[in-house]
Amino acid sequence: DTGVSQDPRHKITKRGQNVTFRCDPISEHNRLYWYRQTLGQGPEFLTYFQNEAQLEKSRLLSDRFSAERPKGSFSTLEIQRTEQGDSAMYLCASGSGGAHNEQFFGPGTRLTVL
Amino acid sequence: RKEVEQDPGPFNVPEGATVAFNCTYSNSASQSFFWYRQDCRKEPKLLMSVYSSGNEDGRFTAQLNRASQYISLLIRDSKLSDSATYLCVVNTGTGRRALTFGSGTRLQVQP
Repeated sequence: DTGVSQDPRHKITKRGQNVTFRCDPISEHNRLYWYRQTLGQGPEFLTYFQNEAQLEKSRLLSDRFSAERPKGSFSTLEIQRTEQGDSAMYLCASGSGGAHNEQFFGPGTRLTVL
Repeated sequence: RKEVEQDPGPFNVPEGATVAFNCTYSNSASQSFFWYRQDCRKEPKLLMSVYSSGNEDGRFTAQLNRASQYISLLIRDSKLSDSATYLCVVNTGTGRRALTFGSGTRLQVQP
């Protein structure tokens, strides 16, 4: 499968714990994005990498959230001291840029904070 | 006001019907436009980009009206498999790479 992959697919954690998610983009894509989606809403942008550089962060990305893409390939998203409000689907997308900036999504990591 | 607004539906239509969704966006500097399809508890999948001159892909036709800042999607000859949520998506460009999504319009095609 040459699409975007994410791991784990599901994560249940207790409030206050730290969690880390991984995203592997489509191999030839240099752009990687993280989004969050809650029930009944469209995905909301969190952050964007071009190669290893984090170029854009949303105001949604509080100081408990950190994302890395150390070698310009896979990326990790860490949430520290999780809160119940962090429960959501965390989606990763990748793209090659271009005139229309099309983005292709992975299957997501569903986080439940108890 | 939301940046991208869609009627949430649901739109319940019989097989074979033609159905149209509209979407409005607030940022007149927006440069790229898309429709994504999302099945229940799955990731969004790119259905089609929307070009200024309008474009068609099989049973699907997308139109863009920049003056009125709205985007439309027309589905002809609806199939049961078209049942999903359709997300209107905008990229404002001007250095931003993030996509801004509407909340989606739910379509249910009935036999």
